[in-house]
Amino acid sequence: DQQVKQNSPSLSVQEGRISILNCDYTNSMFDYFLWYKKYPAEGPTFLISISSIKDKNEDGRFTVFLNKSAKHLSLHIVPSQPGDSAVYFCAASRGTNAGKSTFGDGTTLTVKP
Amino acid sequence: DAGVIQSPRHEVTEMGQEVTLRCKPISGHNSLFWYRQTMMRGLELLIYFNNNVPIDDSGMPEDRFSAKMPNASFSTLKIQPSEPRDSAVYFCASSSRTGANSPLHFGNGTRLTVT
Repeated sequence: DQQVKQNSPSLSVQEGRISILNCDYTNSMFDYFLWYKKYPAEGPTFLISISSIKDKNEDGRFTVFLNKSAKHLSLHIVPSQPGDSAVYFCAASRGTNAGKSTFGDGTTLTVKP
Repeated sequence: DAGVIQSPRHEVTEMGQEVTLRCKPISGHNSLFWYRQTMMRGLELLIYFNNNVPIDDSGMPEDRFSAKMPNASFSTLKIQPSEPRDSAVYFCASSSRTGANSPLHFGNGTRLTVT
């Protein structure tokens, strides 16, 4: 049973527009969520996180929204840039050990100039 | 800051051979994690250490896999004997605090191919 799901394997958007990446989870014990970005031949890099006590966290062009009742989170990138083209992983953890995270399968974002 | 350093970047070996993957975490980080990425299972946690002590190895697939962290600046993941199904990208990651929501810092991975 996959506890963290990213149902869209890929997403393509035009430069300057909004990118919305979605993630669903099934384990109600998850209380900390992270997004990582991964370029080819590199390891994932941390992008933004959110605790279950919040429903929104913003960092520059990146905003993560959390809907606990729906067990759903989303990452918004506004405006999208070609350099944002990468694989985005959603991750979830229980308690305070964010390192022991369960990852989704990733969504490949392509931002077209 | 050099980041997490993994070696080798690529490893090709024959079935039955021993494989050793190496990792140097970020200096000052006290937690180290080994993840594996495959097409079938995505990114999955194999084992993690706090202050050089293995805390949770429930993700280690079989007894053929073992990991050590002899000191704060070095860890190894060993597969003996290796099998074709072990082919994957193995990532090492470190974080600065356990008991706190500290994100992972990943290395660039070791791509293992077992023929």
